[in-house]
Amino acid sequence: GAGVSQSPSNKVTEKGKDVELRCDPISGHTALYWYRQRLGQGLEFLIYFQGNSAPDKSGLPSDRFSAERTGESVSTLTIQRTQQEDSAVYLCASSWGHGSDYGYTFGSGTRLTVV
Amino acid sequence: GQQLNQSPQSMFIQEGEDVSMNCTSSSIFNTWLWYKQEPGEGPVLLIALYKAGELTSNGRLTAQFGITRKDSFLNISASIPSDVGIYFCAGRRNNDMRFGAGTRLTVKP
Repeated sequence: GAGVSQSPSNKVTEKGKDVELRCDPISGHTALYWYRQRLGQGLEFLIYFQGNSAPDKSGLPSDRFSAERTGESVSTLTIQRTQQEDSAVYLCASSWGHGSDYGYTFGSGTRLTVV
Repeated sequence: GQQLNQSPQSMFIQEGEDVSMNCTSSSIFNTWLWYKQEPGEGPVLLIALYKAGELTSNGRLTAQFGITRKDSFLNISASIPSDVGIYFCAGRRNNDMRFGAGTRLTVKP
């Protein structure tokens, strides 16, 4: 597609349930990133994929968070046993590669509300 | 993760006025970027700066990469109502990119 596509755009879930968020990057982009944005705050790095290399998971806040990516295509971010503190907008971004010369394109995000 | 220190948090200005916002960090970055985010959308890249001391313009926007590589500023000249949004600075070092908390800009017609 022309841009980074994320689904669902909004998700309301009950505390304790698992949720799965999806990101379709721009075709050909080898790098894919997940960020979390709490209300009124900046973007918090979660995880990064680059081609077939092992992902950089250093930003995942707990073992309830995990992400997968198949090759250079779709990625899913899974949050298990959701808690109210997980409520935020989850943004995905992709780029041609990693390193300072490559810009990111962001999706519109998934707004997660845990009730 | 570690955030950059971005200021001001919010600005209320009159259409036509100039705007200035800045970002500082205790860490050195190889690239500074400025993004704008509108409601319900992801951030959109406005300007990218790759060299210390670099001054770059994009229309009414001007940004500079500080000499120390620990700071950057963004200026918007002759603001218009569509400049409304949240502006984020970001510092990038290899595949690590950190964001400021944002400056919320309101422009009164």
